[in-house]
Amino acid sequence: DVKVTQSSRYLVKRTGEKVFLECVQDMDHENMFWYRQDPGLGLRLIYFSYDVKMKEKGDIPEGYSVSREKKERFSLILESASTNQTSMYLCASSLDGELFFGEGSRLTVL
Amino acid sequence: RKEVEQDPGPFNVPEGATVAFNCTYSNSASQSFFWYRQDCRKEPKLLMSVYSSGNEDGRFTAQLNRASQYISLLIRDSKLSDSATYLCVVNLAGNQFYFGTGTSLTVIP
Repeated sequence: DVKVTQSSRYLVKRTGEKVFLECVQDMDHENMFWYRQDPGLGLRLIYFSYDVKMKEKGDIPEGYSVSREKKERFSLILESASTNQTSMYLCASSLDGELFFGEGSRLTVL
Repeated sequence: RKEVEQDPGPFNVPEGATVAFNCTYSNSASQSFFWYRQDCRKEPKLLMSVYSSGNEDGRFTAQLNRASQYISLLIRDSKLSDSATYLCVVNLAGNQFYFGTGTSLTVIP
């Protein structure tokens, strides 16, 4: 079974803090994604990566950056967290058009 | 216009009922189609892929209509455990996925 693991299920941070969300997949997938999910807005793509060190902006990249130094690991970075970044963050990898999601990281920024 | 449109519901149905969800997509070049199930505060999980010929998995039937650009999910003999949000997901190509906002289903005893 494909496993996508997100390092933190729940985080509480203060405004201005730097936040790292890590995601690891164990199936050698090339494509990895970071989404955020908010009530009424559905899933929105922040960034995706199709190979090591390659990244593409999604629909809402502002305030975020990503890092893909190894194929299995895709990190999302909030350089200076703000309250409007309180959300559920979902990492995913894909193969043959199917998405596999991690368990999600629920971030609260105070 | 949204790439994928879904009726958010909520759908509240009694146990044993049959319920159907529809989802429309705007890009005729879309290649792959899926229904995902998401439980409260959990990640989406693949329920079933959707093919032009239609496919069935137990009480669940998925259909794709390319001419009208919609996909459907039919749940027969609803169980309490079917209560969840059902997400329609469309893959345009490679890295491009589009999501509906989800349809909420509650099955009532």
